[in-house]
Amino acid sequence: AQSVSQHNHHVILSEAASLELGCNYSYGGTVNLFWYVQYPGQHLQLLLKYFSGDPLVKGIKGFEAEFIKSKFSFNLRKPSVQWSDTAEYFCAVNTNAGKSTFGDGTTLTVKP
Amino acid sequence: NAGVMQNPRHLVRRRGQEARLRCSPMKGHSHVYWYRQLPEEGLKFMVYLQKENIIDESGMPKERFSAEFPKEGPSILRIQQVVRGDSAAYFCASSQNPGRTQETQYFGPGTRLLVL
Repeated sequence: AQSVSQHNHHVILSEAASLELGCNYSYGGTVNLFWYVQYPGQHLQLLLKYFSGDPLVKGIKGFEAEFIKSKFSFNLRKPSVQWSDTAEYFCAVNTNAGKSTFGDGTTLTVKP
Repeated sequence: NAGVMQNPRHLVRRRGQEARLRCSPMKGHSHVYWYRQLPEEGLKFMVYLQKENIIDESGMPKERFSAEFPKEGPSILRIQQVVRGDSAAYFCASSQNPGRTQETQYFGPGTRLLVL
């Protein structure tokens, strides 16, 4: 069975600070990896995804993530956060077999 | 190009009543997934359906919960005799063909169920 672990439950940053949110997964085979963002009261929006190829993927709103196969990690990064990035961020794994497995989420609060 | 539609967006039920949540997948998508998000938690998979078939229901509670995706119409998640612990956000996602590589699930806005 696959599992996803997000290390930080709650992160607080000031505007313009750099962001890195950790995500590790547990699965022995080929995986597809996703980061979703959920703004307060809204539904999940896809930030970025990795299927194959270049392990550094760029998403919307200046976010990027790096897949490190040897570490089973897919950390999310942004060089300079904005107040509008305040949201909850979810890492997810899918193995082309249907269901996705999500981490418990990281709540990001950006102080203006 | 409408995305995944869910209704109602908010649903209030008293203990013992039934809750029916509807999901219309994106156009061209024939695979539907239901997830539940309890307060302060991530999304947990419940069930995966294709038209008229349940493919994977490993995340569904054994009692009171059922799901269907008929040939015509939306997918329905049905919760009978709701209890306070059923209060959560229920998200539906759809995809075109999960057997393909590079398949992405697209999520609806969710139904927030509150059981009084």
